Amino acid sequence: AQSVTQPDIHITVSEGASLELRCNYSYGATPYLFWYVQSPGQGLQLLLKYFSGDTLVQGIKGFEAEFKRSQSSFNLRKPSVHWSDAAEYFCAVALYNNNDMRFGAGTRLTVKP
Amino acid sequence: DTGVSQDPRHKITKRGQNVTFRCDPISEHNRLYWYRQTLGQGPEFLTYFQNEAQLEKSRLLSDRFSAERPKGSFSTLEIQRTEQGDSAMYLCASSLGLVAAKETQYFGPGTRLLVL
Repeated sequence: AQSVTQPDIHITVSEGASLELRCNYSYGATPYLFWYVQSPGQGLQLLLKYFSGDTLVQGIKGFEAEFKRSQSSFNLRKPSVHWSDAAEYFCAVALYNNNDMRFGAGTRLTVKP
Repeated sequence: DTGVSQDPRHKITKRGQNVTFRCDPISEHNRLYWYRQTLGQGPEFLTYFQNEAQLEKSRLLSDRFSAERPKGSFSTLEIQRTEQGDSAMYLCASSLGLVAAKETQYFGPGTRLLVL
């Protein structure tokens, strides 16, 4: 069955530490891949997206993600986390011929001072 | 451009009542999406408009739910005979482009519905 999995429900990191949020997908073909962030009271905001080509994608706010076809993964990373990064992060996928974007369950990020 | 707006931001209703939510997309965006998000979950696709045409509906969208986008501008989502299970955040998003799946969707802040 087609699915998007974010294995980590909640992650806590110290400010200044590095971050990696995991995302795995299960689709027959490689879908288009997205990472969104949702802060309390705010709408979801796109961080980055991957369609094809270079497997390392740069996004806004210092985030990057790497697509690994062999692992069906699209993990989000940031070298140094800031307190303002505390939010909920969603991985999402879309297929070329389908308008139904599917989201993972999300990973809540807490940043310790 | 002020982004996608949704009204109301919060709605409390009693079971069995009808509710209607409004979404104003970014002007000139041709696509508009509705999602539902429950606690601890990611958004789930409900329905999608291209201009004024409703092109796709999820199985989640029961016959108590109806959405419209007259004139391809704002959209409304109505829930009739609300049930407690309808309590959720209802999100609207809009996008512009040629290939829907590739487009960046811009989300509104959502309408939080509580059915008592």
